[in-house]
Amino acid sequence: LAKTTQPISMDSYEGQEVNITCSHNNIATNDYITWYQQFPSQGPRFIIQGYKTKVTNEVASLFIPADRKSSTLSLPRVSLSDTAVYYCLVGERDKIIFGKGTRLHILP
Amino acid sequence: KAGVTQTPRYLIKTRGQQVTLSCSPISGHRSVSWYQQTPGQGLQFLFEYFSETQRNKGNFPGRFSGRQFSNSRSEMNVSTLELGDSALYLCASSVIQRGGGYEQYFGPGTRLTVT
Repeated sequence: LAKTTQPISMDSYEGQEVNITCSHNNIATNDYITWYQQFPSQGPRFIIQGYKTKVTNEVASLFIPADRKSSTLSLPRVSLSDTAVYYCLVGERDKIIFGKGTRLHILP
Repeated sequence: KAGVTQTPRYLIKTRGQQVTLSCSPISGHRSVSWYQQTPGQGLQFLFEYFSETQRNKGNFPGRFSGRQFSNSRSEMNVSTLELGDSALYLCASSVIQRGGGYEQYFGPGTRLTVT
């Protein structure tokens, strides 16, 4: 099972771009990379998922290098409401392990 | 489409009792997973059900069990409750995405307090 490592916490300011990097050195061929966002006392919410290269949706971008041993979640122009815990997950659908996540704190 | 619903939202039990939590997945989703979340251990996978069969199981004692019904609704049961079972229990239903990946939709959770 691919284990993920991501920073425990990060601070940024409103309006900035935030990049959170996750390392997953033993990612398997069939594994997808998925990011979730969680607010206190709520269930995690899907942000973005990718397999390789770059994926972009209305809320974030996901950059995956060719070796797939890491990935970077990019949040453009963050606001106070983006303060949350962000989880990087690697695996197939039935082999999902949540790490400790990155606690992102957005400052005014 | 209605999201994943979990009942009850809050529950207080005493040590030694047993508890049953319920989860209704998004309509059409056949996979349901359960997670336990505590401040110390984070989000930990309990088990996954698909078409009424347990497909995958996490590293939890046998006091934790679950089942899934033909309408995909799922229940999890914890017997002989311990103080350490106090946690937020999350249910998620999942769907395979067109590109081959998958997406999990989480419910709001059931906050269980064991006294």
